[in-house]
Amino acid sequence: LAKTTQPISMDSYEGQEVNITCSHNNIATNDYITWYQQFPSQGPRFIIQGYKTKVTNEVASLFIPADRKSSTLSLPRVSLSDTAVYYCLVGDDDRGGNTPLVFGKGTRLSVIA
Amino acid sequence: ETGVTQTPRHLVMGMTNKKSLKCEQHLGHNAMYWYKQSAKKPLELMFVYSLEERVENNSVPSRFSPECPNSSHLFLHLHTLQPEDSALYLCASSQSQGRESPLHFGNGTRLTVT
Repeated sequence: LAKTTQPISMDSYEGQEVNITCSHNNIATNDYITWYQQFPSQGPRFIIQGYKTKVTNEVASLFIPADRKSSTLSLPRVSLSDTAVYYCLVGDDDRGGNTPLVFGKGTRLSVIA
Repeated sequence: ETGVTQTPRHLVMGMTNKKSLKCEQHLGHNAMYWYKQSAKKPLELMFVYSLEERVENNSVPSRFSPECPNSSHLFLHLHTLQPEDSALYLCASSQSQGRESPLHFGNGTRLTVT
């Protein structure tokens, strides 16, 4: 089972900032937090990864509070093409320090014109 | 271009056929994976290979047989499949199995079993 909890779905209008929060209360000390994006009939695409505080790249920002029990993916000024499923992954219970491989149901983001 | 190429993109096969899915990664990664994604279900991890050795088999039926001849190629051999095996089959790779190594996916093979 995935160690994370995310909202099942979210709606947003074009041009708005979207924040998707993921809960991971049992995150291990050495776990990273990794987010993926998946369009229909395509494989997931890596978006961003972080360990603590804030990480920003050309696509998104990732905010991680000090206790690391949650994280927030922030997508600035979304467009219709950002409509996708977004997955948050942390370490898998039975894989020790290996890269997390278990995907949950993710958050289905629908961007409306 | 994802760096991970899967062929064919679409495959229709009968229950008595034998077919193979191919995955090739051009990223110099050392770990490769097969996932299955059925309609409206989360991705299911099937097999994990690290340095060409199978390190994980998640209770996958024997009608699915993986092969990893080298670190760049991964195959999934299919035989006597069932209609419920119809799904999107995704291949992924990662630099290593380390926790900081994200997965890079191909665009999958859409399999229909008739």
